[in-house]
This record gives sequence, structure tokens and C-alpha cells, in this order.
Amino acid sequence: DAKTTQPPSMDCAEGRAANLPCNHSTISGNEYVYWYRQIHSQGPQYIIHGLKNNETNEMASLIITEDRKSSTLILPHATLRDTAVYYCIVRFLTGTASKLTFGTGTRLQVTL
Amino acid sequence: NAGVTQTPKFQVLKTGQSMTLQCAQDMNHNSMYWYRQDPGMGLRLIYYSASEGTTDKGEVPNGYNVSRLNKREFSLRLESAAPSQTSVYFCASSAFWDYNEQFFGPGTRLTVL
Repeated sequence: DAKTTQPPSMDCAEGRAANLPCNHSTISGNEYVYWYRQIHSQGPQYIIHGLKNNETNEMASLIITEDRKSSTLILPHATLRDTAVYYCIVRFLTGTASKLTFGTGTRLQVTL
Repeated sequence: NAGVTQTPKFQVLKTGQSMTLQCAQDMNHNSMYWYRQDPGMGLRLIYYSASEGTTDKGEVPNGYNVSRLNKREFSLRLESAAPSQTSVYFCASSAFWDYNEQFFGPGTRLTVL
């Protein structure tokens, strides 16, 4: 799987948009970009994934650059409950390489 | 619908003791996984079961064994616990090995003295 690079920490004011960047410059054409988050010591929670088109769901939006070498997870109106570690993961979706490889992620702190 | 459940939540072992961590899911998922998370690190895959009846090694399998008891249950066994196995263990499941997101349990916090 391609390696990802994320900033170790970020702050965001409550109610503002949180934009979490991820670099994955060695991503291959068949690899998807996934985002998970881990609140405090709970198990990780799936947020969103995409291949090359931008994606949006009820939790977040995922913006992938045209060359697919980087992406941004956007939480449109961050709340205190969004304080968590956010993991950007690239993975193949089929075959033996289809597994999640977690890095150290970005610790997002949402403040009042 | 409880999702993924794990027992126990906490456990303290002495070096050399054995124990089994239990995991069950009620989502009729085919694939199940065991991860460990050490302080300040991301999750690392120990073993996985792509479907009932199959198991495969992940990134850090040494010192562990697994059993896919049936479609619902996937257990992780430490035969002779070592301090290096002190960690938080997460079980996860997904509908299929390919394509699908994984759902995680609440974790088991294991300390080996």
C-alpha cells in the first residue's frame, strides 16, 4: 500500500470547517483513499472513501486532487465531538493487499 | 444490533500466562480482523479471516494464534504472554474482504506484567 503523510496535529474552532490534509504521492491507480477516525480510546470509525472523484456523505467531504497525490478531508462544521485522531489510508480494494494499514494520523482538537 | 463486541474489556496477565480474547459480530459479516494498538501508534494487523474457515497472518502475527469459530466469532489466543504484548486489541469485521469498510469493536486493554 502507498504510504501517507499527515500532520501530527491540528486545531479547529467549533463551528468552523476542519480541513485535514493527506499526502499520498506514490498512490497507484487501483488504490482508494480511505479515512477513519478514532475518538479517545474507542475503536476506529469509518468516515468516507474515494478513488478520484470528490465524495460527500453525512459526516464529511473528501476532496482528491486531479493527480491523486493528495487529498483533504473536510468536516464542514466541526463540533467538540469531532475531537479525534484521523487516519488517512490508501488501500487496494481486492486481493491479498486489500487491507487497512494505519499510520499515526492527525490529532484534531476542536475548541470552543 | 450490538455490532462488534469484545470480551474482556480489561485484563492483566503475568508473563507466561495464556488467555483468549473473544470477538463476536452480529452483522452477518464474512471477514473479521484482529489489530493491536500500542501507545502513540496506529493499529497493526495481527491476523485476519477473509471468510469462515480461513485465517491468514497480518503484519505482526508472532506470539498469537486465532480461531474462526463460526461466522460470528473470531478469537485471538496468547499462548505465553510477554510484556511486549501489552497493548490494546481491537477486533473488526466487514461484509466482505474486498471493497467494504471495517467496523471495529470497543477494544480489550491487556497488560502483561
